[in-house]
Amino acid sequence: EAQVTQNPRYLITVTGKKLTVTCSQNMNHEYMSWYRQDPGLGLRQIYYSMNVEVTDKGDVPEGYKVSRKEKRNFPLILESPSPNQTSLYFCASSLISRETQYFGPGTRLLVL
Amino acid sequence: GENVEQHPSTLSVQEGDSAVIKCTYSDSASNYFPWYKQELGKGPQLIIDIRSNVGEKKDQRIAVTLNKTAKHFSLHITETQPEDSAVYFCAASSYGGATNKLIFGTGTLLAVQP
Repeated sequence: EAQVTQNPRYLITVTGKKLTVTCSQNMNHEYMSWYRQDPGLGLRQIYYSMNVEVTDKGDVPEGYKVSRKEKRNFPLILESPSPNQTSLYFCASSLISRETQYFGPGTRLLVL
Repeated sequence: GENVEQHPSTLSVQEGDSAVIKCTYSDSASNYFPWYKQELGKGPQLIIDIRSNVGEKKDQRIAVTLNKTAKHFSLHITETQPEDSAVYFCAASSYGGATNKLIFGTGTLLAVQP
C-alpha cells in the first residue's frame, strides 16, 4: 500500500531533550516536506526537500533540523525542544514539487 | 511572500444543503490551488485541485472555481452528507517560480447536521 508513515504517533518529552520524528514514504517520491499544525494557524511548512541531499527552509524552520540521506526517509530533529514546539506534525511527499502531496497520519508532540 | 486567507472558520449546514468555502491569495504568481480534507485523527487528503489555466473544475459533488483577477478561489460541495464533516484547507503555490511550497489557509470546520 502506498503510504507515508511517521513515528512515533504520540510523544511527550521535556524541554531540552533531543528527539527525532521519523518519516518514510514507499512511493519513490522526490519531494518531501514537514508541516506543523496549530489551532487557528493552519498548516505551516517547516522544511522541505526536493531530492536526496537537497533541503531548504520553509516558513517556520527555527528550532528544527532535517536530513535527506535516502530518498524514502526524511527525519525531523528537534535538538533542544521547547514548549512552543508543542504541536501536531505532518510529513508529506509528492512525486515532484508541483504534484499532489500525500500526508502521513501525524505526530502529536507535547513538550513540558 | 504568499498569504492565503480562508473563510469561514466554521460552517454548519443541514444534510442535503450546499456548502461554500472561500479563499483569497496575495501572490499573483500563484498558479496551483489544491483543497485538502482532514478527518479527525488523520492527515490532510487532497480532494480537488485547480491550476491557473482553468476557471472551474468539477468532480461529482465537489467543484472549485478560480478568479485570477480577484485572486480568490472557492470550494463548493453540493448535496452535503454527514461524511463530508471535516476540516477543509485551501492552499496556493507558485511552483516553477522562486518558491516550491504550498501556503495553506487556516482551515474551515464543516459540520453537516443529519
